[in-house]
Amino acid sequence: SYVLTQPPSVSVAPGKTARITCGGNNIGSKSVHWYQQKPGQAPVLVIYYDSDRPSGIPERFSGSNSGNTATLTISRVEAGDEADYYCQVWDSSSDHRVFGTGTKVTVL
Amino acid sequence: QLQLQESGPGLVKPSETLSLTCTVSGGSISSSSYYWGWIRQPPGKGLEWIGSIYYSGSTYYNPSLKSRVTISVDTSKNQFSLKLSSVTAADTAVYYCARPFAEVVTAPVQHWGQGTLVTVSS
Repeated sequence: SYVLTQPPSVSVAPGKTARITCGGNNIGSKSVHWYQQKPGQAPVLVIYYDSDRPSGIPERFSGSNSGNTATLTISRVEAGDEADYYCQVWDSSSDHRVFGTGTKVTVL
Repeated sequence: QLQLQESGPGLVKPSETLSLTCTVSGGSISSSSYYWGWIRQPPGKGLEWIGSIYYSGSTYYNPSLKSRVTISVDTSKNQFSLKLSSVTAADTAVYYCARPFAEVVTAPVQHWGQGTLVTVSS
C-alpha cells in the first residue's frame, strides 16, 4: 500500500521558518492535504489540495508538492504553531485515505 | 454549524466487537452527498483511516481492516456507526468520526468529532 514518510520531529525558533516534508512515490501526481493536531484535540485541516488554505488559517501556512516530496511551510513561526502535523493523500490504487507518519513541531 | 459526536463503550474485551455511533447535528446525512467516515489514533501514535460511507450505504474501507470493519448509516436518526470485530489491544485508540470538505470521498477531512477513547482490555 502507499506509504507517506515524514520526519518525526522538526525544531524551529520563533519567527523563523519551519518546513515539514512528506515523502511518497510520485506524490506530485496526487493531491496532498495537511492537518495540525494539538494535544488532546482533533486534527484541524490547514492546507488542502497541495496549497490551498481553509478560511481562518493564517497566510503563514503554505504548501507545495512536486516529484516525490510535498512540503508544508510555516513562516514566522509562533509558539501556538507547536503541534503534530500530518500529511494525507487518497490512494486511488486501493481506494483509501492514507496519512503520513506525523511530524512533531517544537518551537524553541 | 455541523457537529459530530461519537458515543459508545469506552472499554471492550479482547475478541469482542467494538461498536461506536456518530450523531450528526447541524446538517442532514440524507439531504447531502457527503461521505461520512471513521478515523482512529492509538495513544501516542499517528492517524489511521478506517473507512467511509455514503448516505445510500456505499462504503470504502481501509484494506488492512476491511475483514473486521462494518460501517453503516441510519438516516432516520441522522447517525452512522462503526463495528470492528475480533478486537485486540492493538485496537485501543481514540476513534473520531469525520466528514470531508467536499462531496467526494477523496476530499480532505474538514469536520471532526471530539473523539472517544476505546480501550481493549479484559
